[in-house]
Amino acid sequence: ETGVTQTPRHLVMGMTNKKSLKCEQHLGHNAMYWYKQSAKKPLELMFVYNFKEQTENNSVPSRFSPECPNSSHLFLHLHTLQPEDSALYLCASSQSMGGYEQYFGPGTRLTVT
Amino acid sequence: KQEVTQIPAALSVPEGENLVLNCSFTDSAIYNLQWFRQDPGKGLTSLLLIQSSQREQTSGRLNASLDKSSGRSTLYIAASQPGDSATYLCAVSFYGGSQGNLIFGKGTKLSVKP
Repeated sequence: ETGVTQTPRHLVMGMTNKKSLKCEQHLGHNAMYWYKQSAKKPLELMFVYNFKEQTENNSVPSRFSPECPNSSHLFLHLHTLQPEDSALYLCASSQSMGGYEQYFGPGTRLTVT
Repeated sequence: KQEVTQIPAALSVPEGENLVLNCSFTDSAIYNLQWFRQDPGKGLTSLLLIQSSQREQTSGRLNASLDKSSGRSTLYIAASQPGDSATYLCAVSFYGGSQGNLIFGKGTKLSVKP
């Protein structure tokens, strides 16, 4: 595997379910990001981790819970989501924070029913 | 507020035409600017990265320019092909409050007709 991978690629969940999204980067980077892409809106930054420490939480509701066990893996734990949370969730990585080029994964298409 | 704007929102051209996509941003204090391509339902593919100290970057039929003083960047696509059809996103890494995190425009959806 090369680059940034995300699993699953598609997820359908009910509002009472708990699920997790996984991201893995094989680039030796130290910063990882979660973005949300909804229809008709720009990509929105959700969370940033640099050297496993969370450095940004962009006013994201607590029903989204990130986890970064090491610099190569990033999770987004989901619980009691709302239909408006349906979106494409994208993971990215970069060498570090502060203006380095970001590399994106293919995304997870989430549908909340 | 640091913002990125892309014009037009959508563009349709015949195959073979040269075209320009525009991106404007509100603050000249930037680390860099990235152009991405996104195919429907897919992730982002990085096309070009222009550092703050650079004026332009080229890759194949693509050329991106940067004018920090006016807060503008353009992506020039030469001899367009149907395979160029996609949404093109401009993203800026600003100094200051956003700590270098990328701020994205809404994108330009390009359709190249055979």
